[in-house]
Amino acid sequence: GAGVSQTPSNKVTEKGKYVELRCDPISGHTALYWYRQSLGQGPEFLIYFQGTGAADDSGLPNDRFFAVRPEGSVSTLKIQRTERGDSAVYLCASSRYRATNTGELFFGEGSRLTVL
Amino acid sequence: SQQGEEDPQALSIQEGENATMNCSYKTSINNLQWYRQNSGRGLVHLILIRSNEREKHSGRLRVTLDTSKKSSSLLITASRAADTASYFCATDAYAAGNKLTFGGGTRVLVKP
Repeated sequence: GAGVSQTPSNKVTEKGKYVELRCDPISGHTALYWYRQSLGQGPEFLIYFQGTGAADDSGLPNDRFFAVRPEGSVSTLKIQRTERGDSAVYLCASSRYRATNTGELFFGEGSRLTVL
Repeated sequence: SQQGEEDPQALSIQEGENATMNCSYKTSINNLQWYRQNSGRGLVHLILIRSNEREKHSGRLRVTLDTSKKSSSLLITASRAADTASYFCATDAYAAGNKLTFGGGTRVLVKP
């Protein structure tokens, strides 16, 4: 597709359940980012992939959060044993690789997660 | 923690007026970027200014960067109702690696 695609757009789950959020980046973009945005706040960095590997996962809040990008394209953010505090919009972005600095990020529309 | 902090947090202006918002950051940067977000939507890139640049223009947008003060400003001239959105600055800091760190945003309301 022409832009970054995220599914589902909305997910309502119960506390303790497992959730997967999917991101399909722009074709040819080797860098992929996950951010989390709470209401009225700016995006908070979670994890960054360069190709298949997680180059920086310093933003993942705890070990209930995990992300993969097995073929260097689509990425899945996985949240185990969800808690009410995980409720937020999860944003995915992709960009062309730049060795020495971060260029323009192209964002998807986000996946809104609500944990009841 | 957030690298960039925007000021003001909210801004309400009449159509046709200019809107100015500021961003301050803490550590040395490669570049600083501004993004716009309409309610319930993803972020859209507006402009990127490198650490060796002082001013950049794009249409009705003007961005300045003062690395000595670790601050940037975004000016929207002749605002329109369609400019109503949240605006975020994001820094690409040397120490942070290849990622952007976003501020809390300025919510701009342009009244027709």
